[in-house]
Amino acid sequence: GAVVSQHPSWVICKSGTSVKIECRSLDFQATTMFWYRQFPKQSLMLMATSNEGSKATYEQGVEKDKFLINHASLTLSTLTVTSAHPEDSSFYICSARTMAHSNQPQHFGDGTRLSIL
Amino acid sequence: TQLLEQSPQFLSIQEGENLTVYCNSSSVFSSLQWYRQEPGEGPVLLVTVVTGGEVKKLKRLTFQFGDARKDSSLHITAAQPGDTGLYLCAGLRSEKLVFGKGTKLTVNP
Repeated sequence: GAVVSQHPSWVICKSGTSVKIECRSLDFQATTMFWYRQFPKQSLMLMATSNEGSKATYEQGVEKDKFLINHASLTLSTLTVTSAHPEDSSFYICSARTMAHSNQPQHFGDGTRLSIL
Repeated sequence: TQLLEQSPQFLSIQEGENLTVYCNSSSVFSSLQWYRQEPGEGPVLLVTVVTGGEVKKLKRLTFQFGDARKDSSLHITAAQPGDTGLYLCAGLRSEKLVFGKGTKLTVNP
């Protein structure tokens, strides 16, 4: 089946640091990738949608200058949390879809636990 | 305001019991998906329902999509400890998945 790999799985860093999270589709080409954030005991909240080769579309309330998304190839999208602060600590999950049509299933990565001290 | 309401939020039962988890909304979805998520991992897709009134079975799990495509249910028969986990429903609306808060199920041996 379709596999999505996220790296790293766990990050602990100091406040003010920028952190990059990678999301790779290992055995398929992902025209669309999604980034979600999940706080403890909360559901997954969509942060942004990225299509290969174009700018990401951010959800309302998500700062695009703080959460930089790059989808440079059909197998890789990156999320960079710039100048991270403790309130950015969360579980970040990416998903990838094979085709642009929304009826195609999303395949989720295993998430990245980000802890900002 | 939560677009998709899941109930119950927490459920602790004994092995062998049956249970039903509900996912309700006032909005119509083009499809609805059920996921299971383990701690520290991403959600894993269990099923997608598309047609109003559709029923799908996956071994001891039965999924139903409401006639109006606004709600769904997940029924587990003879629950086992291996069924323990967080069950999430997600509706597809405007090409985006909207997730419920989840139902944390614990099946005690």
